[in-house]
This record gives sequence, structure tokens and C-alpha cells, in this order.
Amino acid sequence: DAGVTQSPTHLIKTRGQHVTLRCSPISGHKSVSWYQQVLGQGPQFIFQYYEKEERGRGNFPDRFSARQFPNYSSELNVNALLLGDSALYLCASSLLLSSSGNTIYFGEGSWLTVV
Amino acid sequence: AQRVTQPEKLLSVFKGAPVELKCNYSYSGSPELFWYVQYSRQRLQLLLRHISRESIKGFTADLNKGETSFHLKKPFAQEEDSAMYYCALKENSGYALNFGKGTSLLVTP
Repeated sequence: DAGVTQSPTHLIKTRGQHVTLRCSPISGHKSVSWYQQVLGQGPQFIFQYYEKEERGRGNFPDRFSARQFPNYSSELNVNALLLGDSALYLCASSLLLSSSGNTIYFGEGSWLTVV
Repeated sequence: AQRVTQPEKLLSVFKGAPVELKCNYSYSGSPELFWYVQYSRQRLQLLLRHISRESIKGFTADLNKGETSFHLKKPFAQEEDSAMYYCALKENSGYALNFGKGTSLLVTP
């Protein structure tokens, strides 16, 4: 039974470049969220999508964008990369949007290094 | 504003000793609180949530609204408990999990 899958697992980009990270949720899950985890910190919420619509956004600049496709997979895009964008990017999926008892499952993440 | 505080970055205990990982939160409403765990080379996974009031792998956590705390406890630590533990809060009207900075638990023989 496949969990949340993310690609790529590791990548290195140069300042100013653009990056696209991909996520496939658990089969049947319609909600996908993205988190950024900087070394030594807890994950920080970036976006949540449900049924292909953005339902929540964290305190991140407009350089960060995302979308969800009809098959519920998702992409996170970051433009004009800065050194501070270096982090582990986690995707999480859940069956429901938000309710008590709704379990959120995390992927293994994509390690982004900006040089 | 930081909603979840985990005051200990690292906690080291001997096998068989009791362990308590502290978590304090700031939120005026009725939050949902969770403990997530990340074992070495594994993904972040849910350990327990306060609404379930269950014990997982011997761990329990009680929500104390008066002290705004949700400490994680286990009476007898095992070496396999060594991991990174994150306390997280979900606002009752929100979608996001607000994580603390995490506590690294090391259980030594």
C-alpha cells in the first residue's frame, strides 16, 4: 500500500532558478498540503489544497505557488530561489479537508539545496 | 506568533527511566493537539492525538487547558523510542498544523 510519494528526493538549484516539486497522495485522499522544514525547525505550513482548490495558505511570499490536479496529485513551485529556501519540503495527504479524527500522512520529503 | 513551544531541544534518558517531553501551546480557542514522531530515516508519522485519549507504544499525553500543555509521557523508556518528537496544534477553524521545533529523545542502555 503506497504512502504519500514525492519527487525528486534530492535536488540542487542555483539562486534565481525555479523549482517544481511533485506529490502523489495516498489513493482516495483528496486533500494535499505542503510544509517547509528548515534544518533544526519543525515543519511550517505553506499550502493546503482540497478538490483542486486552495483552501489555506501560510505566511510565504508569492514566489511560492502550488496546484492540485484532477487526480489529486500536486505540484509546489518556487520561483526566484533564495539561499534561505534550502529546506526539506514535505507533502502530506488526508482523506478529508479538516475535521476531528482526520489523520494527516506525510511523505518522505524533497530535499532542496540552493547554492 | 509561535503557537507551540517545545522547550527541550534534546532529552537524554536511560532505558527503563520515565520520560516526559514537554509541549506548551498558546491558543485561546479549542485546539486539536497532536504528537508526531520521526524515527531515523523514516517519515514523519502521527503518534497520538488528544481527542483519542489513547496510549500508543506506551506513550500518553493529556491536554491540560489550564496550563495550556500537552506533555508526552512514557513510564519506562525503550531504546527504540529514540527519535525526533514534534508537538503540533491545529486551530479549530484552520487547516494547518502548527509544529513546535521538536525534541530529540535519546534513550541510552
